[in-house]
Amino acid sequence: QVQLQQSGAELTKPGSSVKISCKASGYTFTSYDISWIKQRPGQALEWIGAINPGSGGTGYNEKFKGKATLTVDKSSSTAFMQLSSLTPEDTAVYYCARLGDYFDYWGQGVMVTVSS
Amino acid sequence: DVVLTQTPVAQPVTLGDQASISCRSSQSLVHSNGNTYLEWYLQKPGQSPQLLIYKVSNRFSGVPDRFIGSGSGSDFTLKISRVEPEDLGVYYCFQATHDPWTFGGGTKLELK
Repeated sequence: QVQLQQSGAELTKPGSSVKISCKASGYTFTSYDISWIKQRPGQALEWIGAINPGSGGTGYNEKFKGKATLTVDKSSSTAFMQLSSLTPEDTAVYYCARLGDYFDYWGQGVMVTVSS
Repeated sequence: DVVLTQTPVAQPVTLGDQASISCRSSQSLVHSNGNTYLEWYLQKPGQSPQLLIYKVSNRFSGVPDRFIGSGSGSDFTLKISRVEPEDLGVYYCFQATHDPWTFGGGTKLELK
């Protein structure tokens, strides 16, 4: 069965970077894009961007350019998102989701907390 | 950016009632290829969002037929007939017609 297993919660300091992962299983990793979505506590969802694991091609929400960097490791069927220059406004749950014509499978989410 | 405005923000219901959620877009969601990329997701408490409806009115695999999506252009509705306990949570509309893709603010379906 299709699964997206995300890495564990992160506690980080302002100004630092963090890299979270999303390991895919149960399907051919290179056949579907992976998208990342942000959800601040008690808030709505925001689309960050997407990556094509086959080509490595990416598309970003302009708001997150310079903040988020999406990469993949095809050998381990894992997608990564690095968040840089963290501020308290980056405190959120970050989801990965498989993207065909829609987000049909989601990871369980990673809580990233930015605090001094 | 396309703004999706959902109403109401909260919808108190009695189990077995019908519920209706509106999603209005700041511009038409008809893509140049003729498709309308409007989706509905449900986020149950403590869970990741799950897909209910894609391209306005198509139910995703396993979604009960009491969920009905409709609409066109910039005005869309999700109706839930005979609300059941597992339907409670926050509903989001989402558009993938225009870049950047955007979500609505959410509608919380809760018990009266």
